[in-house]
Amino acid sequence: DQQVKQNSPSLSVQEGRISILNCDYTNSMFDYFLWYKKYPAEGPTFLISISSIKDKNEDGRFTVFLNKSAKHLSLHIVPSQPGDSAVYFCAASDRDDKIIFGKGTRLHILP
Amino acid sequence: DTGVSQDPRHKITKRGQNVTFRCDPISEHNRLYWYRQTLGQGPEFLTYFQNEAQLEKSRLLSDRFSAERPKGSFSTLEIQRTEQGDSAMYLCASTSPAPTQYFGPGTRLTVL
Repeated sequence: DQQVKQNSPSLSVQEGRISILNCDYTNSMFDYFLWYKKYPAEGPTFLISISSIKDKNEDGRFTVFLNKSAKHLSLHIVPSQPGDSAVYFCAASDRDDKIIFGKGTRLHILP
Repeated sequence: DTGVSQDPRHKITKRGQNVTFRCDPISEHNRLYWYRQTLGQGPEFLTYFQNEAQLEKSRLLSDRFSAERPKGSFSTLEIQRTEQGDSAMYLCASTSPAPTQYFGPGTRLTVL
């Protein structure tokens, strides 16, 4: 039973355009959501997070949107850069602070 | 470097051998987590510590797995009688305060 779902295994975006990565969750007890970026042979790197009491959080080129009624969140990267090519994991945290990860979306930024 | 560190980065072992991994968290972090990641999957929770107390273990953590954090600082994860299915990336993360966790580079285990 997958509580955090990233339905797109991969995404290709032209450099300079907007990248939108989507994530759905099933557990209404999740109260904190995070996005991590991962390069091969490295650990996940924290990107941005959002509390369940908010619907938007912005940090530079990265913006996360949360739609609680739809149990959906998305990560927007604009403008996309070559160094953004990586696997992006959506993750959610419950009150015990365990993090549940999705399977990831591989983002390719095309020149 | 004040990030989370893990040692070794890579470990190749034969089936049936025991292996031990070490994680050094960010120094002021009191919570330490272990995750396992296999190909095509996101990291999966194994266990976590609040200081030296192990508070939860996943059902993924069979009896062959044991984790310790004796002084509330570094932690070790031991796998006894390794099996080929144990081949994975083992990740450590720490946090204080929760919930944002910061990950180490991982230990890649290959069981032949």
